[in-house]
Amino acid sequence: QTVVTQEPSFSVSPGGTVTLTCGLSSGSVSTSYYPSWYQQTPGQAPRTLIYSTNTRSSGVPDRFSGSILGNKAALTITGAQADDECDYYCVLYMGSGIWVFGGGTKVTVV
Amino acid sequence: QAQLQASGPGLVMPSETLSLTCTVSGGSIGSYYWSWIRQPPGKGLEWIGYIYYSGSTNSNPSLKSRVTISLDTSKNQFSLRLRSVTAADTAVYYCARVVAAAGRLYFDYWGQGTLVTVSS
Repeated sequence: QTVVTQEPSFSVSPGGTVTLTCGLSSGSVSTSYYPSWYQQTPGQAPRTLIYSTNTRSSGVPDRFSGSILGNKAALTITGAQADDECDYYCVLYMGSGIWVFGGGTKVTVV
Repeated sequence: QAQLQASGPGLVMPSETLSLTCTVSGGSIGSYYWSWIRQPPGKGLEWIGYIYYSGSTNSNPSLKSRVTISLDTSKNQFSLRLRSVTAADTAVYYCARVVAAAGRLYFDYWGQGTLVTVSS
């Protein structure tokens, strides 16, 4: 079964930039996987950040951006703020009506 | 904007069936896909399955044999049944709306989640 890979954790300084990635255990991520990204704070439901690789959801600050970097989808946070400290999940559409979530990345702003 | 509310028993006995309902307000259940996603305590998200307003469904291959997702358009609700549960099915269960149109494929609205514990 295909595994969607994410870094378990990342640290970033306030005001700094961090890029999280979303890959496949086998193969390359492309726009055909419709990568989307979700932000989750403890005890809350996920919030949609990015869909279709690089489209920001309504109300999402432009410091969040999505892209394809090499063979992975990527979420970049530019000018990190304290309230960006939480978990981030990507999900890929595998085709045939199947979605697979990555394991999530815990971002710490220190 | 759509609002989703998952509801159901918070405690289920091992080997029994977990049943949850998601009520959709602020819009019709028509023309969208509707999905269930879960999150075991302290762990990541897992996609369970979806139902289209037409009634077609699909589910995670790892859960497929135990999952049934159904729709009640008259009540603007969709439901999840997960059979033969074990402690590994203990999780917060989320319902979510899926946008699948015009080059977009993603979960846009999420319910607040409901914790289901499997224990005797």
